[in-house]
Amino acid sequence: ILNVEQSPQSLHVQEGDSTNFTCSFPSSNFYALHWYRWETAKSPEALFVMTLNGDEKKKGRISATLNTKEGYSYLYIKGSQPEDSATYLCAYLNTGNQFYFGTGTSLTVIP
Amino acid sequence: DTEVTQTPKHLVMGMTNKKSLKCEQHMGHRAMYWYKQKAKKPPELMFVYSYEKLSINESVPSRFSPECPNSSLLNLHLHALQPEDSALYLCASSQVYTRDLSGNTIYFGEGSWLTVV
Repeated sequence: ILNVEQSPQSLHVQEGDSTNFTCSFPSSNFYALHWYRWETAKSPEALFVMTLNGDEKKKGRISATLNTKEGYSYLYIKGSQPEDSATYLCAYLNTGNQFYFGTGTSLTVIP
Repeated sequence: DTEVTQTPKHLVMGMTNKKSLKCEQHMGHRAMYWYKQKAKKPPELMFVYSYEKLSINESVPSRFSPECPNSSLLNLHLHALQPEDSALYLCASSQVYTRDLSGNTIYFGEGSWLTVV
């Protein structure tokens, strides 16, 4: 059984605050890490695909970093807005082409 | 069009019923997936179709029967399900089911909520 863990499980922040959360995954046999944003009753939306150690990706106010040697990725949201409220899922793809989702971080941004 | 469309959005079925979930994409993707998600758990892969052929079956019980009639459609036929099969069933697609250096973005549908009574 392969563990992809996300922390915290849930998070409440005030509008305008910046926040970050973590995805931990096995450092061996790493191939790629995906981040998804999933709003209730909508499709999970792909945010980033990261493959190289030290990768940093940015999309608007959301950015992510990747450390494949120690097996973690951070997702940062700068100046959180209520529309950022969603579950953020990471998914780890290994060299055996197996895809494992994390447990998700549920973010609520309070106006 | 970057949509994966799933129907129905909600389905309630009895344990003796036969029903189907449908999924459609028009992005020219040649890999399509079924995932099952129970509340507060990550999505679990059920099946992968690559070029309309079943590539992966993650030891899914035979009461779930996938079908890929063409490159745009993916069905999941349901028969003799159990109440514990109640879950959100997500369909997804990607360009291909082999890895490339730029990553393999997977596009998800909104899911079909299934309740077995």
